[in-house]
Amino acid sequence: AQRVTQPEKLLSVFKGAPVELKCNYSYSGSPELFWYVQYSRQRLQLLLRHISRESIKGFTADLNKGETSFHLKKPFAQEEDSAMYYCALGNSGYALNFGKGTSLLVTP
Amino acid sequence: DVKVTQSSRYLVKRTGEKVFLECVQDMDHENMFWYRQDPGLGLRLIYFSYDVKMKEKGDIPEGYSVSREKKERFSLILESASTNQTSMYLCASSMTGGSFYNEQFFGPGTRLTVL
Repeated sequence: AQRVTQPEKLLSVFKGAPVELKCNYSYSGSPELFWYVQYSRQRLQLLLRHISRESIKGFTADLNKGETSFHLKKPFAQEEDSAMYYCALGNSGYALNFGKGTSLLVTP
Repeated sequence: DVKVTQSSRYLVKRTGEKVFLECVQDMDHENMFWYRQDPGLGLRLIYFSYDVKMKEKGDIPEGYSVSREKKERFSLILESASTNQTSMYLCASSMTGGSFYNEQFFGPGTRLTVL
């Protein structure tokens, strides 16, 4: 069965500190993984996807098939990074399977 | 610019009422989705549609139905609203194939309160 686990409901870090939001998945096939972000009063939007291997707003995420993980990282957190982050798993079908989300709070 | 719109931002209904939530996308996307978003539960898929008049149940379809008569419009119907359907409802769309495969574009959400 497909499953996405985000173990932290809330993550609080200081501005300038490194941040890592954890995501683990279970899927027997070849996964497509995404990070979506929802800023306060804004719609949910794609942050990054593993196949593009790019850095968006300083965030990166590496797919580790051995550990079945897709953790989101940023070396120096900014206050504007405070948001709700969702990890999502796609397959060869159409729907995405979302994790329960992690609320990131970056304090000055 | 990609646009997914939802008919209402806020909606208040009474128990037992029939409720319609409308979603329109202007990107000519094949796939459309309805989720509900609840604190601590994340996004849960209610229904999705991969073509006009086609629909598939998601993880929590009970108490809901959908309609897709036109490619750009996907409606969520609560046949008889109940208080446990109070939630934020998100619509999304995606295309099939191409470089944006599986990327979903979301609407602003409809916060439904059932009294």
